[in-house]
Amino acid sequence: DAGVIQSPRHEVTEMGQEVTLRCKPISGHNSLFWYRQTMMRGLELLIYFNNNVPIDDSGMPEDRFSAKMPNASFSTLKIQPSEPRDSAVYFCASRTLGAYTDTQYFGPGTRLTVL
Amino acid sequence: AQRVTQPEKLLSVFKGAPVELKCNYSYSGSPELFWYVQYSRQRLQLLLRHISRESIKGFTADLNKGETSFHLKKPFAQEEDSAMYYCALRGDEFRGNTPLVFGKGTRLSVIA
Repeated sequence: DAGVIQSPRHEVTEMGQEVTLRCKPISGHNSLFWYRQTMMRGLELLIYFNNNVPIDDSGMPEDRFSAKMPNASFSTLKIQPSEPRDSAVYFCASRTLGAYTDTQYFGPGTRLTVL
Repeated sequence: AQRVTQPEKLLSVFKGAPVELKCNYSYSGSPELFWYVQYSRQRLQLLLRHISRESIKGFTADLNKGETSFHLKKPFAQEEDSAMYYCALRGDEFRGNTPLVFGKGTRLSVIA
């Protein structure tokens, strides 16, 4: 298994543009998480899904952020319009729902720079 | 509320010196604690978890419920230990269904 896959790995865009980040969880995992990593705030949970259903999006900073999981093998995190303060590394992680002993497996991250 | 505190943003030690990365947590129930590590240009990966009571790459961590701490220790630091370390907590409500809560991380720099 290639693990959690994220694309793109790097994204540079201008303020006001729409940005879409993509994630493919590990096959068979049915819990998916989006995190944002910054120097100031560390690793923050933005939203997570169980069985493709959003469970908690209280970490999503504003209405400019939205996330979807149309099926078990794909999720997107969209920022529209993007702002310079959104610059960060965005991580996707997955695990098996309900598996007490399981942990979260992280993707390589997408480094977003908004100019 | 669940909270994880890592008081040090940066910790520099000399090669061969002991290392202790501090982690304190706030949680009223019975938590599960983890340490994750992120080496340069690599993804975040699990280093160890308290229920396993194991030593990974020479690192150990003991859950101290009285002090609500889960400090990461290694007796002799190596240059390859230089990385970002995150402490994480998972609460016991619906444990199989809840995400990890992370601290802000500590960057460990081992100086040759």
